[in-house]
Amino acid sequence: DIQMTQSPTSLAASVGESVTITCLASEDIYGSLVWYQQKPGKSPQLLIYGATILEDGIPSRFSGSGSDTQYSLKINSLQPEDFASYYCQNGLSTPLTFGSGTKLEIK
Amino acid sequence: EIQLQESGPGLVKPSQSLSLTCSVTGYTITSGYDWSWIRKFPGNKMEWMGYISYSGSTNYNPSLKSRISITRDTSKNQFFLQLNSVTTEDTATYYCANLNRDSYAHDYWGQGVMVTVSS
Repeated sequence: DIQMTQSPTSLAASVGESVTITCLASEDIYGSLVWYQQKPGKSPQLLIYGATILEDGIPSRFSGSGSDTQYSLKINSLQPEDFASYYCQNGLSTPLTFGSGTKLEIK
Repeated sequence: EIQLQESGPGLVKPSQSLSLTCSVTGYTITSGYDWSWIRKFPGNKMEWMGYISYSGSTNYNPSLKSRISITRDTSKNQFFLQLNSVTTEDTATYYCANLNRDSYAHDYWGQGVMVTVSS
């Protein structure tokens, strides 16, 4: 199985700031990396797939980058609605595997 | 728009079977996509459990392979999860979602159903 190591586990930031969350795959996943956002009591929402492709309707302040085994999600100019949990997912092969999540909190 | 809704008992006794239904509207499950079950444990770990494809083939997480079955009823546009011999470690929120094979991303998710395994 491809292991996904996500960091940090939690992160505190202020509205307007920028943050970066990283995901490290245990092997090359050739850009097949997916990011989700999950708010309390809600189901996950697809943000980015293919490491860099923004899902329709997702604000452009979200961006993804990376290759091989190292990937990042950057959120520019944090808005109040961005404070949530974020998960990466291996999109290369089954079993699909998730990172452990990053909880983004308001400072 | 595709909508998914999970249903099933919220409490299951240890050693029994967990059975959940995912009802899909806005898309016919035989038209395309794969259809996944995913669970999120207390403590936030997420696990992909498996999927049934639009053609009816299945792909399971090897960690569950001996206990899991995903089936469907195409006449009702529903797919199902059965997990046998549950323990307290199967306590989780269970989600159904579509899986886009082009990206292996889950585009649409149900709202989730919390299942507790307890005697």
